[in-house]
Amino acid sequence: TQLLEQSPQFLSIQEGENLTVYCNSSSVFSSLQWYRQEPGEGPVLLVTVVTGGEVKKLKRLTFQFGDARKDSSLHITAAQTGDTGLYLCAGSRGGGADGLTFGKGTHLIIQP
Amino acid sequence: NAGVTQTPKFQVLKTGQSMTLQCAQDMNHEYMSWYRQDPGMGLRLIHYSVGAGITDQGEVPNGYNVSRSTTEDFPLRLLSAAPSQTSVYFCASSLLTGEKLFFGSGTQLSVL
Repeated sequence: TQLLEQSPQFLSIQEGENLTVYCNSSSVFSSLQWYRQEPGEGPVLLVTVVTGGEVKKLKRLTFQFGDARKDSSLHITAAQTGDTGLYLCAGSRGGGADGLTFGKGTHLIIQP
Repeated sequence: NAGVTQTPKFQVLKTGQSMTLQCAQDMNHEYMSWYRQDPGMGLRLIHYSVGAGITDQGEVPNGYNVSRSTTEDFPLRLLSAAPSQTSVYFCASSLLTGEKLFFGSGTQLSVL
């Protein structure tokens, strides 16, 4: 059972366009993290959201945690070629020794 | 500031061979983990450790062993390699369970 569903799986858009990717679950998470992974490298943390309804901004990236703490979204404004990568969401159920549960990721390609 | 160091970067094995993937972190993190990443499957947890002397199984532990004799090191052993273990392996650590994960740069393993 995949606890975290990410959509879309693949997305290819032109530079300058806006996009949103989603991370959904039927489970409640105490916190949710977003990572970006480039080819040949390990994932790198972008942001952690903790409170239901929380919105965090990282330059052109806006992250939102759902009110019920079951889902999250990542919105990119005016995408740039440097945004290309694999975006992964990961949830923590808190107190569990097995750590984070990862979604399968969204492969994002920004074309010049 | 080394962070999480994984070796080797690439490895080719024959079916039935054994080997150890090395992982070391210099951040005094209590939590360490091993993931495998396969196309369409996302990151799946193999084994994890919440501190020296303590290890536990993740989602896909079969065919792998781990030990945690020191806080810094968390090697992953393949006992008898199988083609199904062809994958990219990532070691990751965090200060505590469920917190920001720091990933190594990965080991690409092919089993022929």
